[in-house]
Amino acid sequence: QQQVKQSPQSLIVQKGGISIINCAYENTAFDYFPWYQQFPGKGPALLIAIRPDVSEKKEGRFTISFNKSAKQFSLHIMDSQPGDSATYFCASPPRYSTLTFGKGTMLLVSP
Amino acid sequence: DSGVTQTPKHLITATGQRVTLRCSPRSGDLSVYWYQQSLDQGLQFLIQYYNGEERAKGNILERFSAQQFPDLHSELNLSSLELGDSALYFCASSVASGTGGTNEKLFFGSGTQLSVL
Repeated sequence: QQQVKQSPQSLIVQKGGISIINCAYENTAFDYFPWYQQFPGKGPALLIAIRPDVSEKKEGRFTISFNKSAKQFSLHIMDSQPGDSATYFCASPPRYSTLTFGKGTMLLVSP
Repeated sequence: DSGVTQTPKHLITATGQRVTLRCSPRSGDLSVYWYQQSLDQGLQFLIQYYNGEERAKGNILERFSAQQFPDLHSELNLSSLELGDSALYFCASSVASGTGGTNEKLFFGSGTQLSVL
């Protein structure tokens, strides 16, 4: 299966700071890269996704940066808030296959 | 609310037993996926069904099986349970057939927490 390596495993950021989570993938056959957000006691939910034909996508405080040559994409959370505290998963959907998730990054935003 | 319903929310059982987890997908979604979540392994894909037929298989043990019924609900059967099977099991659904791409947006249920004692 497609391997997706996510880092860091956990992250503590002060309120108002920038949270950065990285994801490295192996396969070159893809259509898009999504990030999922999971709150305690809930299932993951799609947060934001990027297509490989763009280098950056921004939705509110959340930005995905994509580096095709390095086979990496990153999630940036600007002005991080305590409500952003959750586990974040990157995923890689190889063409003709289903989503493979990274192991997740537990983000804690301190007040 | 994702629209995906999983029952039961919690399940406590003993080693060697068999349990069944149930999932109702969002209205209109033909694909159902099962994932296992544990602290050390993250979200592991188990199996996917599309319109009643098995579409993709991941890291699913032989002791585990699943099916999707004509009304599109799905069941995951776990047998000869071991302590290591204790985990959170998620069901997800999507409109896509599992060929990847932007249509494969997954909607997850709230999960079934399985504890094997």
